[in-house]
Amino acid sequence: GAGVSQSPSNKVTEKGKDVELRCDPISGHTALYWYRQSLGQGLEFLIYFQGNSAPDKSGLPSDRFSAERTGGSVSTLTIQRTQQEDSAVYLCASSRRSMNTEAFFGQGTRLTVV
Amino acid sequence: DQQVKQNSPSLSVQEGRISILNCDYTNSMFDYFLWYKKYPAEGPTFLISISSIKDKNEDGRFTVFLNKSAKHLSLHIVPSQPGDSAVYFCAHRDDKIIFGKGTRLHILP
Repeated sequence: GAGVSQSPSNKVTEKGKDVELRCDPISGHTALYWYRQSLGQGLEFLIYFQGNSAPDKSGLPSDRFSAERTGGSVSTLTIQRTQQEDSAVYLCASSRRSMNTEAFFGQGTRLTVV
Repeated sequence: DQQVKQNSPSLSVQEGRISILNCDYTNSMFDYFLWYKKYPAEGPTFLISISSIKDKNEDGRFTVFLNKSAKHLSLHIVPSQPGDSAVYFCAHRDDKIIFGKGTRLHILP
């Protein structure tokens, strides 16, 4: 497919477990972004990659959250020891470059921590 | 402190009329803006952008206006259609994208 792909689309996990969310960006897009949207809230920036490096991790809510990107392509967002407040839709986006261009979003992963 | 503000949580417009969605920003150095549309259970979809070298950009039924002195932009949709019912996000773009909280648009039959 030509768009941004995220997996899984839905994830239910028990409190305290670790989860990994995956993002496959559009081929050739060098910039990749993670956002989350909690219920009734806006789009909260988490982290941004340019290539494999993350110049801006300022939005990660705690040290339980980490992300990596390999080969300038696939990215994984890992949440350790999940808490109920981590329940949200996690959205990934990619763009051709990091400035002055639109970014394209995936469908998101809905994470529910029970 | 919100850098991009959408002060109207919701807006209802009659089908066929003009929808005007507003957005304010705080930093006069901001120079590139995006509008996205989001349906429930889907990711945001890019609609239209504007650079600060322009004060207007038009794409079909969608027009974005930028007033740099007022640090204000608006999205006009005309004529409004039922499929336009969605949440609209204004965003500032530099190396990351900072979104407003969104405005829910209801198009009334």
